[in-house]
Amino acid sequence: AQSVTQLGSHVSVSEGALVLLRCNYSSSVPPYLFWYVQYPNQGLQLLLKYTTGATLVKGINGFEAEFKKSETSFHLTKPSAHMSDAAEYFCAQKGANAGGTSYGKLTFGQGTILTVHP
Amino acid sequence: KAGVTQTPRYLIKTRGQQVTLSCSPISGHRSVSWYQQTPGQGLQFLFEYFSETQRNKGNFPGRFSGRQFSNSRSEMNVSTLELGDSALYLCASSLYGQGGDNEQFFGPGTRLTVL
Repeated sequence: AQSVTQLGSHVSVSEGALVLLRCNYSSSVPPYLFWYVQYPNQGLQLLLKYTTGATLVKGINGFEAEFKKSETSFHLTKPSAHMSDAAEYFCAQKGANAGGTSYGKLTFGQGTILTVHP
Repeated sequence: KAGVTQTPRYLIKTRGQQVTLSCSPISGHRSVSWYQQTPGQGLQFLFEYFSETQRNKGNFPGRFSGRQFSNSRSEMNVSTLELGDSALYLCASSLYGQGGDNEQFFGPGTRLTVL
């Protein structure tokens, strides 16, 4: 079964500091990886996704993530945190089933709550 | 283009009752997936529908069911509600569901409270 592990349920940074949210996925061929953000009382918004091609993926709001197959990791980073980045972040995987197709099922990590201090 | 809409946004029920939640996908999207979000279990996949057919199902009891209509709108039903069913239920739509680049767009969710 697929699994996604997010290291650290809470991450706290100062405004202007580097944001690093860690995600490890279970090996799958091919792995389709996503980062979502959730603000209070809202649904999930896609930040970025990796499907194939370039391993460094750029997303919205200045976020980016690097796919590292050798480490089965897909960590999310942002060079400089803003107060508006405070939210919960979810890493998710959509992998292929035995038939080689991937249906509409995302497996999510447990989430990381990002707090940004002034 | 309008996003995914879910109704109602909030719902309070008592144990033993049943509930129906509705989801309208983005226009043109044919795949609808449902997820349950709780503080303890996180985000868990319930089921996915494509062209009125359930294509994938998560590990939930039979009390949880769903359906999709010809216009791609979807409903999920929970019968004989239990306290543990209190959760945020999220609906997501995508063009086809299949394929890694078919990203899912999420609605705002329905907050269900079971008393």
